[in-house]
Amino acid sequence: GAGVSQTPSNKVTEKGKYVELRCDPISGHTALYWYRQSLGQGPEFLIYFQGTGAADDSGLPNDRFFAVRPEGSVSTLKIQRTERGDSAVYLCASSPEAGGRGGYTFGSGTRLTVV
Amino acid sequence: SQQGEEDPQALSIQEGENATMNCSYKTSINNLQWYRQNSGRGLVHLILIRSNEREKHSGRLRVTLDTSKKSSSLLITASRAADTASYFCATGMNTGFQKLVFGTGTRLLVSP
Repeated sequence: GAGVSQTPSNKVTEKGKYVELRCDPISGHTALYWYRQSLGQGPEFLIYFQGTGAADDSGLPNDRFFAVRPEGSVSTLKIQRTERGDSAVYLCASSPEAGGRGGYTFGSGTRLTVV
Repeated sequence: SQQGEEDPQALSIQEGENATMNCSYKTSINNLQWYRQNSGRGLVHLILIRSNEREKHSGRLRVTLDTSKKSSSLLITASRAADTASYFCATGMNTGFQKLVFGTGTRLLVSP
């Protein structure tokens, strides 16, 4: 596609529920990144995929968070047993090469609200 | 965790004036990038400067990098109301791949 697409754009869920956030990167981009941004803060790294594998998942806050990219394109971020503290904008980005040395292209994000 | 801190946290100027934002970081880097964010959603890549570069220009943007002081500055010349946004620096580390670590951002308001 022309840009990085994230769906849904907004998600409201009840505490304890399971949610899935989807990211469709730019076609041909091998690297895909998930970030989380809380109000008034900069984006915080969650996980990075190079192809199908998670090259670095050190930013995932706990085992309730999991992400997959089974075919090396679309990625899904999964959050189990959501908590109010998970409320944030979840940003996805892609880049054409490992490392994003030419800069990332970000999607518009999914605003997750846990009530 | 945030790698960089930006200064000032907020900046308010008139159209036509220059805006300067500063970024400080803590560890060795491979490159430093600046991004703009409107309305708290998607970020737009503005410019990248590598650790062996000292200054870079792109249109009305000028970025400097001082690795000895672990700091960078972004200058926007002849600002416009459309430049109103939050600006973030992000550093790519020397760890084999360039996971970007973002700063806390500067909120720029340009008044007509």
